[in-house]
Order: sequence, then C-alpha cells, then structure tokens
Amino acid sequence: AQSVTQLGSHVSVSEGALVLLRCNYSSSVPPYLFWYVQYPNQGLQLLLKYTTGATLVKGINGFEAEFKKSETSFHLTKPSAHMSDAAEYFCAVLTGANNLFFGTGTRLTVIP
Amino acid sequence: DVKVTQSSRYLVKRTGEKVFLECVQDMDHENMFWYRQDPGLGLRLIYFSYDVKMKEKGDIPEGYSVSREKKERFSLILESASTNQTSMYLCASSHGLAGDYEQYFGPGTRLTVT
Repeated sequence: AQSVTQLGSHVSVSEGALVLLRCNYSSSVPPYLFWYVQYPNQGLQLLLKYTTGATLVKGINGFEAEFKKSETSFHLTKPSAHMSDAAEYFCAVLTGANNLFFGTGTRLTVIP
Repeated sequence: DVKVTQSSRYLVKRTGEKVFLECVQDMDHENMFWYRQDPGLGLRLIYFSYDVKMKEKGDIPEGYSVSREKKERFSLILESASTNQTSMYLCASSHGLAGDYEQYFGPGTRLTVT
C-alpha cells in the first residue's frame, strides 16, 4: 500500500530564509505525489504534483519539489520565505484508483 | 474555477443528535470524498463515492454514513453524534479521469459535539 511520512510537525524559518519541508513516500508502484497547502480556516489547495516525467516540479507561489526515487523523497522547497507562506502543508500519494493518502502535515511558521 | 461548497462553516450539536453535512461541487466531477482532519493526524478518509448512488468505506467509516443521490451532492451523516466526532470535516471532489487525480476541497465544516 502507498503511504507518505512527513518529518517535522512544526517548522519555523525567518522571513527570506530557505523553506524545506520533508516528505518520504512508500509505494510498490511508480507514485503520483502531491503537495497541498491549507491556510487558516480554509480548505486545502494544490501547490504542485508529480505524475511522470521531469523530477523537478514547479508549483504556485514559488514552491517546487523534487522527486528522488533513490531516496523515496518528495521534499518541498522555496528559496525565500514570505510571511504569507505561514500555513499547514500536506504531502499526499495516490493510492488505489482515485484516492489520496495524506501525511500528518507540517505547520510552517515564518518569523519576521 | 472548480467550486466545492459545504453547507456550514461551523456547527454545534448535542450528543445523540443526527447530523447532516452537505457538500456540493459544480464541475461535474465523478468522485467525491469526505475526510476528517484532527491535529497531528492529518486527513483521514471517511467515505468516498465514484458515482451516483455508489459509496465505498474509507479508513474510518465507523459512526458515519453517506448519501449520493445526485452527481453534484455528497452528504455525510452522523446518525447519533458523539463527542469523539468533534472535528473538522472536509469534502473534496475529483474528475476520475485517468491521469487527473487532483482533488478539490471545500472550506471545511468545524463540528463541535457537546
């Protein structure tokens, strides 16, 4: 069965610093991977997704993620954090025909 | 833009009450999902539906049921609400086309059972 693990339930960075949120996956088949963001009191919004092809995926708001098969990882990065990036981030993997298995989430705090 | 709406943002119910949470999507999506979100546990799938009148149990279906009488509407039912069902409930929908697996989420309903 496919699953993901997010390392670090809370991450704090200074404004302007690199953002790195970690996600490792487990899958017996080539995975389809996703990152979602949830701003306070809102639903989830897709940041980016990896299906096939290029392993470096660019998303919205300056975020990107790299699929590394050898490390079974799909970490999310942003070169320079902005105050508006403060939110909760979820990694997910496609499981079955149409379902997603979500990680437990990482809350990002940006310090001014 | 895809729009998924949920009937209430906040709901307070008493133990033992029957609770209905409604979700509507406007993009003619085949698939619809109900999740609950709890701190430290992420999103857990309660039920999903691939078509009208079809439903499948997710990872935590106990204490819940669902109804999908029309393609655009997916209802979550708590037959007899209990305090351990206090949570954020999120509805989502997706196309169901091969290669297009993105799920679109509603704003959520925060349910408190007292």
